[in-house]
Amino acid sequence: DQQVKQNSPSLSVQEGRISILNCDYTNSMFDYFLWYKKYPAEGPTFLISISSIKDKNEDGRFTVFLNKSAKHLSLHIVPSQPGDSAVYFCAALPLNRDDKIIFGKGTRLHILP
Amino acid sequence: SAVISQKPSRDICQRGTSLTIQCQVDSQVTMMFWYRQQPGQSLTLIATANQGSEATYESGFVIDKFPISRPNLTFSTLTVSNLSPEDSSIYLCSVLAHAYEQYFGPGTRLTVT
Repeated sequence: DQQVKQNSPSLSVQEGRISILNCDYTNSMFDYFLWYKKYPAEGPTFLISISSIKDKNEDGRFTVFLNKSAKHLSLHIVPSQPGDSAVYFCAALPLNRDDKIIFGKGTRLHILP
Repeated sequence: SAVISQKPSRDICQRGTSLTIQCQVDSQVTMMFWYRQQPGQSLTLIATANQGSEATYESGFVIDKFPISRPNLTFSTLTVSNLSPEDSSIYLCSVLAHAYEQYFGPGTRLTVT
């Protein structure tokens, strides 16, 4: 049973437009969420995170929104650039920090010229 | 930040053989993690390797199949034993950074024929 779900395996967005990647979770004990970006032949790299006490965290072109009642978070990239083409993993961490981080299956983002 | 290298970057192995993957970190870290990413799947934690103690394996993973060594605070190896085609995957090592972020190595792509 997947606790972190990224229901869109892929997404195509025009360069310069907004990319919105979605993530849903089922475990209400998750209280810290992270997004990772992965290029082919490279390991995932940390992108941005958000604590459950916040509903928004912004870092440059990247903003993560958290809707706790809906158990939903999203990553917004504005404006989208060609270098943003990658696989994006949503991840969640429970209150008990001894438990492991749980990753979604990832969404492949294609930025179209 | 931590810089992580893995060797080999890729390998093609025959069924029934074993592959040992090395992970080197440029700083001393307490916890190292080994993940597997099968095609179209999320990052799945195999085990946590702490220096000076036995690795802790996740459900579905056993020491006989995935023996791990952690001889010091900067190095670890994962062996995938008695290979079968189902073991074809990307194997990644990872370390815990600040604020619950993880740094990943570039991965080892294993193909079993």
